[in-house]
Amino acid sequence: DQQVKQNSPSLSVQEGRISILNCDYTNSMFDYFLWYKKYPAEGPTFLISISSIKDKNEDGRFTVFLNKSAKHLSLHIVPSQPGDSAVYFCAASLNYGGSQGNLIFGKGTKLSVKP
Amino acid sequence: DTGVSQDPRHKITKRGQNVTFRCDPISEHNRLYWYRQTLGQGPEFLTYFQNEAQLEKSRLLSDRFSAERPKGSFSTLEIQRTEQGDSAMYLCASSLSLAVNSYEQYFGPGTRLTVT
Repeated sequence: DQQVKQNSPSLSVQEGRISILNCDYTNSMFDYFLWYKKYPAEGPTFLISISSIKDKNEDGRFTVFLNKSAKHLSLHIVPSQPGDSAVYFCAASLNYGGSQGNLIFGKGTKLSVKP
Repeated sequence: DTGVSQDPRHKITKRGQNVTFRCDPISEHNRLYWYRQTLGQGPEFLTYFQNEAQLEKSRLLSDRFSAERPKGSFSTLEIQRTEQGDSAMYLCASSLSLAVNSYEQYFGPGTRLTVT
C-alpha cells in the first residue's frame, strides 16, 4: 500500500509558465515533507521541505504548499526553466514508533519544460 | 567536493556472485541510510545507521543483504548470491541528527547493479 502517491507520471510546461507538481499521502503521522529533483544517472538532489505544522514554504522560484486536511501537498515552480526538466520526487519523513526519519518516496513525476 | 560518494558507480555481475558497495557520507553526518530504486519507482528504504549502530532494517532487506558501518564513517552494503531481481540503483544518503533540519537527507550518485 503506497503511503505517498504522485498520480501524474509526467508533466509538460512551457518555459516561463508555472509548473505544479502534486503529491498525496495517507499517513497523518508524517512530520516533514520533502521534494527531491533527479537527473538521469544521478542521485536525488534535495530541493525544498515543509514541516507538517506549516502550510507554505518558499525558496526562490520554488514554493511548497501543504493541505493537511486533504493530505495533499504541491510544489510550484515559477517561472519554469528548461533546466528544471527532471524527475521530481515527493517524500515524507516519519519519526514515530520504530521509524527514525527514513524517507518514504512517491514514484515521481517527470517534468519537461519546453523552450 | 564533500558530498556523499559511492563506489563503484556501476557493477555488472553474474547471478549467484557476491557484490559489495561502499558509501562515504558527508564527513560530519552521523546518520547514514541505504535505499534501493528500481525503474519507474521512487527510492525504497533498506536500512539506517546512527554512528556505527544499525537501528532500523526494512523487510526488503532479505538475509542475503548485510550492511555495516564499523567506525561510524563509511558504510558497506553486501549482497550475497545475487539474483536478477537485485538489479537496481542502490542509493546512499546521510544526515546530521543534531541539526535543525535533521530530516534532510543528502544522496550520493548511486551504484547501478546489473545481475545477468
